[in-house]
Amino acid sequence: DTAVSQTPKYLVTQMGNDKSIKCEQNLGHDTMYWYKQDSKKFLKIMFSYNNKELIINETVPNRFSPKSPDKAHLNLHINSLELGDSAVYFCASSQRGGEETQYFGPGTRLLVL
Amino acid sequence: EDQVTQSPEALRLQEGESSSLNCSYTVSGLRGLFWYRQDPGKGPEFLFTLYSAGEEKEKERLKATLTKKESFLHITAPKPEDSATYLCAVQANAGGTSYGKLTFGQGTILTVHP
Repeated sequence: DTAVSQTPKYLVTQMGNDKSIKCEQNLGHDTMYWYKQDSKKFLKIMFSYNNKELIINETVPNRFSPKSPDKAHLNLHINSLELGDSAVYFCASSQRGGEETQYFGPGTRLLVL
Repeated sequence: EDQVTQSPEALRLQEGESSSLNCSYTVSGLRGLFWYRQDPGKGPEFLFTLYSAGEEKEKERLKATLTKKESFLHITAPKPEDSATYLCAVQANAGGTSYGKLTFGQGTILTVHP
């Protein structure tokens, strides 16, 4: 009974490629997030969606585009991958976007060669 | 801009040796302070939320406290299975495009030796 799941778990790809990461939550939450964790383990928010509507859009290159087909799914598409995109990407969800607890997925480890 | 600083960066303890982790923060109106535990290769696992100065929460060997400038995570008689990275995050009272945003510290890596 995985609450927040991500696919794939690992992603190794070449510079310049386009790739997608998928996230699904079965908690019935309204809000979903994408975070990036760099090599120094710093977690930084990228995007959040509330009921399929983009709420937070931090300073992230245009090559990153989130898409929410429904409130249980939030996908992340990355165009023209660069070496600096190598990181662990975490999806999270919360009941709403307020002070409610955010629950994280297992992460997708992206390595760009 | 909201900032969170955790100390120490790494902490090694012997089993049973109690200690505390610190999380100092600056935020434009605190909505909530969150503690998470992260095991290697896994996502952060929620531990506690604190909302106002003076609040305390406990779970097994862990106790979190909050003041207006910092939070402490006290670990009493730790066991090797408590070894993990402990992350602190704040959420501000901002609305609009910052609604729900968590700002994380860099974490404290805790190692408990048997």
